[in-house]
Amino acid sequence: QQPVQSPQAVILREGEDAVINCSSSKALYSVHWYRQKHGEAPVFLMILLKGGEQKGHEKISASFNEKKQQSSLYLTASQLSYSGTYFCGTEGSPSGGGADGLTFGKGTHLIIQP
Amino acid sequence: NAGVTQTPKFRILKIGQSMTLQCTQDMNHNYMYWYRQDPGMGLKLIYYSVGAGITDKGEVPNGYNVSRSTTEDFPLRLELAAPSQTSVYFCASSFTGGIGYTFGSGTRLTVV
Repeated sequence: QQPVQSPQAVILREGEDAVINCSSSKALYSVHWYRQKHGEAPVFLMILLKGGEQKGHEKISASFNEKKQQSSLYLTASQLSYSGTYFCGTEGSPSGGGADGLTFGKGTHLIIQP
Repeated sequence: NAGVTQTPKFRILKIGQSMTLQCTQDMNHNYMYWYRQDPGMGLKLIYYSVGAGITDKGEVPNGYNVSRSTTEDFPLRLELAAPSQTSVYFCASSFTGGIGYTFGSGTRLTVV
């Protein structure tokens, strides 16, 4: 079942913070986060495995609450280069690397204005 | 390294025609995937493969076929193209161990 992302879209000024949420009705083993710019391929940001860990990547970090079957992506002090569509991809089986394929949300459009 | 290479980048097909979308990766990844992306719908899994000679259906396999004769190549075959297959198709590959997918640049297919 497709995870639900919120918000669908967000417009920020450069330097502001954003949170993007990903919720699933199924038990999750891992959550992937990707960013896609218009007309380009999705680019991997990070993966969170079952265990409630939090990861960071430059000024972008994420958390995974397996009990709530939710993940959140945090973008702090946003830069113009952060603009794009963010997708979460979820995995329900314990292969750990999305071997059986990820189920992606519909995406969150992030626009950063100067 | 080239990563994941998809060809062609663009294609227009007439209803009922067939074609093969090519996908090649040079990273020695075991796992390969085909997704389609329609506006506002995210990415939907068509087929995937966990190794040479092994393929399995994803969420939306109808109208498509795949083969995996080598680790490097994972072509997607469209038989009897229909307007509903108008989409952007992405091939991706991965290792196990949680380093994420590497996507190709996509093929934009229009069926008229």
